[in-house]
Formats: sequence, structure tokens, C-alpha cells
Amino acid sequence: DVKVTQSSRYLVKRTGEKVFLECVQDMDHENMFWYRQDPGLGLRLIYFSYDVKMKEKGDIPEGYSVSREKKERFSLILESASTNQTSMYLCASSSGGASTDTQYFGPGTRLTVL
Amino acid sequence: GQSLEQPSEVTAVEGAIVQINCTYQTSGFYGLSWYQQHDGGAPTFLSYNALDGLEETGRFSSFLSRSDSYGYLLLQELQMKDSASYFCAQSGGYQKVTFGTGTKLQVIP
Repeated sequence: DVKVTQSSRYLVKRTGEKVFLECVQDMDHENMFWYRQDPGLGLRLIYFSYDVKMKEKGDIPEGYSVSREKKERFSLILESASTNQTSMYLCASSSGGASTDTQYFGPGTRLTVL
Repeated sequence: GQSLEQPSEVTAVEGAIVQINCTYQTSGFYGLSWYQQHDGGAPTFLSYNALDGLEETGRFSSFLSRSDSYGYLLLQELQMKDSASYFCAQSGGYQKVTFGTGTKLQVIP
């Protein structure tokens, strides 16, 4: 079974702090994704990566950056956390070169910014 | 960006059949997926349609009509454990997938 793990289940940070969210997948998937999920808005894509050191902006990249130094690990960085970044963050991975491939999700990190 | 429309909430009786609709934008459309998410859980893949027609997987079926930019998820013989949120997701090429806002299904006895 594909396993996608995220570094924290719950996280509380203060406004202005730098926040790192880590995601690791164990199935040698090429593609990795970061979404945020908010009530009534569904899942919105922040960034994705189709290879090591490669990244592409999603629909809402502002205020975020990412890092993919190793194939299995994809990090989401909030350079200066703000209260409007309080949300559930979901990481996902998929294999292959087509967007039709099944995405496998991690359990999510619920981030609260005070 | 692309947007998908689906009802926000649906209620159905245990043992019944329920259909969750999804309309999408045609620009750069490759296919339509469906995901299930229980409260507090991660989304899990249910089905994918790239061509018109019905795909059946046990009690769940998914349908696509490319000419109508429309698809639906059909859940038969509803069980209480089917209470969850269901998301349609549009594949738009180059690994990018756009999710709908989700339909919260409540199954009642």
C-alpha cells in the first residue's frame, strides 16, 4: 500500500513565524502535491512537483514556497505565517506522467496560526 | 482557474440509491475522478472516467458525458458508513488536478 505521511497532525504557530510542513511518500512516486482544505472551498492546490528540484505553482501559491530535494520528500514552507493561513493542509502523491493518475493523500496537518 | 460545481449537501436513506452530480469546465479536460473523505480522514480515490459512459466498482458507479461537461457518482444500497464528503476532481493535464468543493452525504436510518 502507498503510504504518505505528514510530519504533524496538529500544529499551532504564531503570526510571523516560519513554518515547515513535511511530507514523505514511500512508493517512489514522481508527483507530489500540497493542498489546503477549508470549509466550503474544497481542496485547493498550492504547489506541486513532478520531479526532484522541480516545482510548479498551483492555484493559490501566494504566501507559500516548497522544496523537493529528495524524491520521497516534499516540504511546504510558510515564510511568515498569517492568521488567514489557518487551515488543513493535505499532501498527496501520484505516479507516472499524467494527471489522470490516482492521488494518494496523507492524513493532513491542521495548522492554527494565532 | 477551472471550477467544478457539485451540491453542497445530500441526505439519503440507508439502503437507497443516491446520485451526486458534478459539472466541470471543458478547457483542457482529460478526465473526471471521484474521491471520498470521511470526517477527520484523508481523501481516498473511488473512480476515474476519461471516456463517456458508466464505470462500475461494486456499489459505486461513476458516469461521464463529455458533450454535456457533466458527470455523476452513483451510490447504491447505501450504508451508514457511506456518510462522508465526496469530491469530483478534473484532470487538466500536466499532473494538475482541480477538485470540486465537495458534497457532504448524510445517510439516515
